[in-house]
Amino acid sequence: EVQLVESGGGLVQPGGSLRLSCAASGFTFSSYEMNWIRQAPGKGLEWVSYIGSSGTPIYYPDSVKGRFTISRDNAKNSLYLQMNSLRAEDTGIYYCARQSPASYYMDVWGKGTTVTVSS
Amino acid sequence: SYKVTQPVSVSVALGQTARITCGGNNIENKNVHWYQQSPGQAPILVMFRDNNRPSEIPERFSGSNSGNTATLTINRVQAGDEADYYCQVWDRNTGVFGGGTKLTVL
Repeated sequence: EVQLVESGGGLVQPGGSLRLSCAASGFTFSSYEMNWIRQAPGKGLEWVSYIGSSGTPIYYPDSVKGRFTISRDNAKNSLYLQMNSLRAEDTGIYYCARQSPASYYMDVWGKGTTVTVSS
Repeated sequence: SYKVTQPVSVSVALGQTARITCGGNNIENKNVHWYQQSPGQAPILVMFRDNNRPSEIPERFSGSNSGNTATLTINRVQAGDEADYYCQVWDRNTGVFGGGTKLTVL
């Protein structure tokens, strides 16, 4: 079964850091591009970052550029999101999602992990 | 930056046809993808590259894209179709989601 399982969420103070992980199983992880997408409470989906199948290229929106770092370990079938200088507006559910090869849509999503930035 | 616009809500009677739009400048030149998100659940892909259905999605779902508007159409709407729907495109190495449309089945 194709599966993505996020972990690492929690409560963090403004200005703090958190590292999210996404464990992939049931498919050849190293062949797929991956994304992080987040959803603030009661709001819509926001794309957060993209990484190519081998680790490059990497893209971010302006809202997280310079604060978030996406990475992957293909030997461990894992995707990561290092989040620094966290702000209240970073609060939400963070989903990792597999991107269909040579396409630009997310065909498999994890259930998400919740990040709360609050003092 | 490229923006896509969706109606906040769409209501449809049980068994009728729902149409959810996604507007953007010359969006017909982009591939539009659609996701369904039921309350408390992660999104799932229901349409890719304008009008392609994943195998597990019922044939009642279809898509189109012309001019400045892409449309997700759901025929013979069922109670289980009540959810939030998001369109998505890629523009210059950036993922772009619409604000989402809440589909209510009456």
